Amino acid sequence: AQTVTQSQPEMSVQEAETVTLSCTYDTSESNYYLFWYKQPPSRQMILVIRQEAYKQQNATENRFSVNFQKAAKSFSLKISDSQLGDTAMYFCASPNGGSQGNLIFGKGTKLSVKP
Amino acid sequence: DTGVSQNPRHKITKRGQNVTFRCDPISEHNRLYWYRQTLGQGPEFLTYFQNEAQLEKSRLLSDRFSAERPKGSFSTLEIQRTEQGDSAMYLCASGQSGEGSYEQYFGPGTRLTVT
Repeated sequence: AQTVTQSQPEMSVQEAETVTLSCTYDTSESNYYLFWYKQPPSRQMILVIRQEAYKQQNATENRFSVNFQKAAKSFSLKISDSQLGDTAMYFCASPNGGSQGNLIFGKGTKLSVKP
Repeated sequence: DTGVSQNPRHKITKRGQNVTFRCDPISEHNRLYWYRQTLGQGPEFLTYFQNEAQLEKSRLLSDRFSAERPKGSFSTLEIQRTEQGDSAMYLCASGQSGEGSYEQYFGPGTRLTVT
């Protein structure tokens, strides 16, 4: 079965600092997308960033960037200049099989940004 | 707000009762997904539709669960003879096929409590 592993259940960072959240995945697909989602407390899940597997260049969205290592099946999220509003659960997700129909999510990393 | 809406937001029911949830996707999206999320876990896939066709169902979706998307717009998820183990957040997401990344946009969820 395909899996997504987030090895850090909880992390904390000081405001304005940089933090990196880890994710490893397992897929047999040759081309696929990977996603990081953010779920603030009691609020809905928001797409943070996506990475296309065949692109060598790491994706960047403002303060969010990824370090994608395809051979190692590693997909970490770096948050620069952390803000209080970044406090949330962060989930890594990869497609389950070739249909790109459904996503498999990791168990999440709870990030707390401290003032 | 992603544009995906779900109703009701909260539902408390007694064991053995039937419940129905509704999801209204982003209007131009042809794909609609249902996930279940329990406390401390990432979302788990239940089923998805492309237009009105139900293309995939998880083994998690027991015979007590049924989902419909009759006109390819909104969808309903019904749980019959609810059990305490059905208590969870039920998330709906929508997306558009053929756009490569198959990004999914999530609604706020329906929190079900079975007493």
